[in-house]
This record gives sequence, structure tokens and C-alpha cells, in this order.
Amino acid sequence: ETGVTQTPRHLVMGMTNKKSLKCEQHLGHNAMYWYKQSAKKPLELMFVYNFKEQTENNSVPSRFSPECPNSSHLFLHLHTLQPEDSALYLCASSQGAGESHEQYFGPGTRLTVT
Amino acid sequence: GQNIDQPTEMTATEGAIVQINCTYQTSGFNGLFWYQQHAGEAPTFLSYNVLDGLEEKGRFSSFLSRSKGYSYLLLKELQMKDSASYLCAVKDSNYQLIWGAGTKLIIKP
Repeated sequence: ETGVTQTPRHLVMGMTNKKSLKCEQHLGHNAMYWYKQSAKKPLELMFVYNFKEQTENNSVPSRFSPECPNSSHLFLHLHTLQPEDSALYLCASSQGAGESHEQYFGPGTRLTVT
Repeated sequence: GQNIDQPTEMTATEGAIVQINCTYQTSGFNGLFWYQQHAGEAPTFLSYNVLDGLEEKGRFSSFLSRSKGYSYLLLKELQMKDSASYLCAVKDSNYQLIWGAGTKLIIKP
């Protein structure tokens, strides 16, 4: 039990669909992150929120849209995705973004774009 | 550019010792992390080094040399459950985590 939950665990969507990924952390942390993990590649940081404010957007295409309504919840809204967007999407949290605290990860959403 | 290098795959025998190396080139340094990730699961935190030297935590130890841009994770008394990917990550001067691609460790009986 890592204290970070993600739903859904698996998602298959067409290129014209709109879907959302949800992440919730029960650890009282102030920073939350979205990562993309593709096979045999390093984790790619997508977005960082610190105290609900977005502090990083690593040149992510606009078809990915994050939302952080409070420090415990993080969403990733998806629309008009491409097949190369198929990957494992991981959410993580930590005490703060600008410090050397470890990150706690959720189990991920396995996304397949057809 | 920033870069983290670690071997793609390693094989070891149950009960033995294995050392997984990680070299890094980053803009600044604010600590090095090791994570374990079993197939289909979330990465879980193993260790953190910010000063040179060895940090021991049970069967796992992690070493850091900042002058050489080098770290290793040492796993002793290997068990079958240690079969997983091991991820090395460095926090740069902006406290952003730079990740290696991971080392897949296969344990054989």
C-alpha cells in the first residue's frame, strides 16, 4: 500500500476519444507529478504541481491537459491521442517539489491508444 | 545534456551478491535515489545518497562518489523476489529528477 491510488488501471481508447486519468494521494504531501513510462526508456516527467500550482510542463503536447483541484487530487485529461502515446502513466507525490524528498508512486494506468 | 547510464539487464544467482552501477552527468546535484520496480507495479523507494559513502539498509546498500559521478546499488543474499527493475535517478540543480532507463535484474535458482 503506497498511499497513492490511480484509476483506471487499464484504459483503451480511440484517437478521437476524450478520457481522464485520476490520481489521489493520502499522504498529506504538497507536490504531485505525472510521468510517462515507455518500455526500456527512462521515466519522462510530464507535469509537476506544488501546492496546487503547476511548476513544470516538460514540453508536453496540448492533447494532455493536467488539472490539480487540491493537493490530494490530480487529473490528466486526454483527447485526440496518438498511438505513440500508448504507455504506462504514473502519478507520484512527495512532501515538496523543490526539495530532496523521495517520491511515492501510484500503480499506474496502462493506456493503449488504437 | 543530462544523462544517467545503467546496464540494461543483469543476471545473478539466488543467495549471491550483485552490484548495479549508475553513472550520471547532470547540471548540479541534489541527491541520488534508487527505486525498485516489479513488473506491472509502481516504483518503490529504496535509498537516497547525497554525501559520498555507503548507506546500508538491511540486504541493500547504496554507494555514492560525487567526484566520479558514480553510484552503485549492492544487493546481498539475493532472493527470487528481488527480480525486478532497479531505477537510478538524480536530482539536478533545479531539484528535478533525472531518471535512468533502469536495470532489469533476473535472479536464477
